[in-house]
Amino acid sequence: AQRVTQPEKLLSVFKGAPVELKCNYSYSGSPELFWYVQYSRQRLQLLLRHISRESIKGFTADLNKGETSFHLKKPFAQEEDSAMYYCALTPVPGGGNKLTFGTGTQLKVEL
Amino acid sequence: EPEVTQTPSHQVTQMGQEVILRCVPISNHLYFYWYRQILGQKVEFLVSFYNNEISEKSEIFDDQFSVERPDGSNFTLKIRSTKLEDSAMYFCASRTPQGRTNEKLFFGSGTQLSVL
Repeated sequence: AQRVTQPEKLLSVFKGAPVELKCNYSYSGSPELFWYVQYSRQRLQLLLRHISRESIKGFTADLNKGETSFHLKKPFAQEEDSAMYYCALTPVPGGGNKLTFGTGTQLKVEL
Repeated sequence: EPEVTQTPSHQVTQMGQEVILRCVPISNHLYFYWYRQILGQKVEFLVSFYNNEISEKSEIFDDQFSVERPDGSNFTLKIRSTKLEDSAMYFCASRTPQGRTNEKLFFGSGTQLSVL
């Protein structure tokens, strides 16, 4: 069975400081990893996925298979980054979008 | 950008009553999902639906739950006899049939179900 662990429930940083939201996973096969974000009073939305290897809103995440991690990073936090962040996993291939979510980390960016 | 629409945003019901949660997926999407999130816990997969049948369901999705696509636009989740522990935020999601299996999911804003 797959599992996603986000050890921090709340992460508070100052504006301009670097951010790292931790995510570790366990899965015997080859997973696909995602970060979803939920801004206040908005719906859950995809932030980025590891296969895209892209930077969205300044965020990046690298899949480290050796450490089974997919930490989300941003060099300089902005106030608008304050949100709930969920790491999620789906098996490859044929995961069918049965996403397994972590418990989420609330990021609070303070001025 | 098109959106997945869920109604109602908040549903209050008595234990033992039936509830139907409604979702209108994005019009050209063919894969549909229900997830739920109990307060303070993680978002959990309930069921996936494609081609008018359930593709996969979790252990949570027992005989009390059912899904239906009654017409070309709606996708519903029915709970036959609600329990207190069914209180949660229920999210509908959909995706296109194109491209990779794990194509981006679009989520609705959720229905908060409160069972009293």
